[in-house]
Amino acid sequence: GAVVSQHPSRVICKSGTSVKIECRSLDFQATTMFWYRQFPKQSLMLMATSNEGSKATYEQGVEKDKFLINHASLTLSTLTVTSAHPEDSSFYICSAPRLTGPETQYFGPGTRLLVL
Amino acid sequence: DQQVKQNSPSLSVQEGRISILNCDYTNSMFDYFLWYKKYPAEGPTFLISISSIKDKNEDGRFTVFLNKSAKHLSLHIVPSQPGDSAVYFCAASAHEGFQKLVFGTGTRLLVSP
Repeated sequence: GAVVSQHPSRVICKSGTSVKIECRSLDFQATTMFWYRQFPKQSLMLMATSNEGSKATYEQGVEKDKFLINHASLTLSTLTVTSAHPEDSSFYICSAPRLTGPETQYFGPGTRLLVL
Repeated sequence: DQQVKQNSPSLSVQEGRISILNCDYTNSMFDYFLWYKKYPAEGPTFLISISSIKDKNEDGRFTVFLNKSAKHLSLHIVPSQPGDSAVYFCAASAHEGFQKLVFGTGTRLLVSP
């Protein structure tokens, strides 16, 4: 069945470097994808909506220059955390809308980012 | 501003008993509600959902109740099993938001044998 994959599953980087996280829809096309972030023991917070062929829509308080989103094809959205700092350490999850069924989104398995 | 709240951060239940997880929301535009189960370092797993035109939806051991006037929903799990131990999130969406989900704060459920 249709699934959403993320790569990498976990990444450790040094402060000041940039990290790219990929979100792929498998066996289906997604013109829209969502990026969420979850800090330890907190809720999942929507960061941005990724739109194929156009600019991403960011939620209030999310820096678009720091979290670069590129939705280059109908099956791939990427989130780049630029100049990462320890406070960016979090669990990043992407999802793609599901057009049928009670479950409205397919969620990816998530990416654990640790910035040292 | 937390639009979706789960006031109980944790809940402990004995195996075989009923687990009741609660969720409150403030945005009257929300018209679709979902419950997810989540383990650390994994994506959320969908459990059950309910539309605002209904007040109850049942699927196996899981039942969701919606009280629109109180802006409150609850998830009942019966009988509870140790494998149900996880963090549970309620989520809501508004039609205009096109499936953009607002998640609650989560409740950690522990079901002991």
